[in-house]
Amino acid sequence: QSALTQPASVSGSPGQSITISCSGTSSDIGGFNYVSWYQQHPGKAPKVIIYEVSNRPSGVSYRFSGSKSGSTAFLIISGLRAEDEADYYCSSYTTTNTQVFGAGTKVTVL
Amino acid sequence: EGQLVESGGVVVQPGGSLRLSCAASGFTHYDYTMHWIRQAPGKGLEWVSLITWDDRGTYYADSVKGRFTISRDTSKSSLYLQMNSLRTEDTALYYCALGVVGMDVWGQGTTVTVS
Repeated sequence: QSALTQPASVSGSPGQSITISCSGTSSDIGGFNYVSWYQQHPGKAPKVIIYEVSNRPSGVSYRFSGSKSGSTAFLIISGLRAEDEADYYCSSYTTTNTQVFGAGTKVTVL
Repeated sequence: EGQLVESGGVVVQPGGSLRLSCAASGFTHYDYTMHWIRQAPGKGLEWVSLITWDDRGTYYADSVKGRFTISRDTSKSSLYLQMNSLRTEDTALYYCALGVVGMDVWGQGTTVTVS
């Protein structure tokens, strides 16, 4: 159950677009379309912003989008805003019927 | 709108036991997979355990296998985590979550301190 690999930090200026990668294996991301992304502000519970690779829950901004290529998933935040500054985590279903998270990426808005 | 409320977190000595609860309300049905996830102070999220929507399957992270047991009441609106042989490294904020497969709705968490 090795954690998925995410960059520790990503930064961008307001209005820019940033991409966060999440790398796994054929036993998790590469084998299923059950990748989710979560946003966590300090002191708050995580909130799902993308599920099943590219689906956005009701109420989540269109500025958040997801995709996958092979065993790597991507979260794209377009039109970066100050309120997007938070920690972001990816997760995936696995071949052993478990879930695995990435270590998290801190997004800083410059 | 559905919500999840965790309870049962306390300070416990190493080697001790604890049972966490998670009450679900406001959902149109409860045939969801439910999860426990934890977050140690200043650290990232760690998936702990899940119980399938039909209660037929329970799965655990290697770090808790053999020590923790997940269960749900017959109405499926309450989720539990029995934690035995607790270690200092189990200290964390414990969240419950539910979803079709993933973790789509989260509670606010309950804090477990092993010291």
